[in-house]
Amino acid sequence: AQKITQTQPGMFVQEKEAVTLDCTYDTSDPSYGLFWYKQPSSGEMIFLIYQGSYDQQNATEGRYSLNFQKARKSANLVISASQLGDSAMYFCAMTGGTSYGKLTFGQGTILTVHP
Amino acid sequence: KAGVTQTPRYLIKTRGQQVTLSCSPISGHRSVSWYQQTPGQGLQFLFEYFSETQRNKGNFPGRFSGRQFSNSRSEMNVSTLELGDSALYLCASSEGQGFTDTQYFGPGTRLTVL
Repeated sequence: AQKITQTQPGMFVQEKEAVTLDCTYDTSDPSYGLFWYKQPSSGEMIFLIYQGSYDQQNATEGRYSLNFQKARKSANLVISASQLGDSAMYFCAMTGGTSYGKLTFGQGTILTVHP
Repeated sequence: KAGVTQTPRYLIKTRGQQVTLSCSPISGHRSVSWYQQTPGQGLQFLFEYFSETQRNKGNFPGRFSGRQFSNSRSEMNVSTLELGDSALYLCASSEGQGFTDTQYFGPGTRLTVL
């Protein structure tokens, strides 16, 4: 079984500042993938970044980077230079093994960016 | 490429009725997954289809069913609706090759059961 824990129900950040959203995971699968999605109030889930369990380097996509610490089972999302449009719900999720097509999600973190 | 589309976007039904939701994946994607999102339970996996076969299923009652067509479009059906079925239903498509695949989501169908 897989489990994702996001311990920050809400986070606040000043525009142009960096923010870290926490995510810890648990799985018995030796190979797995970790994802971050953004969900604005409109409801659509937007893919942000992916990290594979065997990737040596931390993933980076524009202003998003994933701080992957395998031994600690953590996959924190770092957003640099926050923008007002970053205000949304953020979900950490994972897949693994032969669990085809199944993403296991955390409870999410609501990020609010202040001007 | 066009993104994942879902129809209808909004639906209001009464208890006991049934409903069918539709999802068209990104062109070339053969896997479609369905999720239910509620404030209380969060995002929960319903099932996944690949090449017209259900490969994976979540812990939902048999009232929830789905299918996939040869063009990879998928439908989800909920029979004998209950108040607790009110939710945002999201579908996602991917290439379906394994756990490294990224799932791309549609805008969702918001179902309200009265």
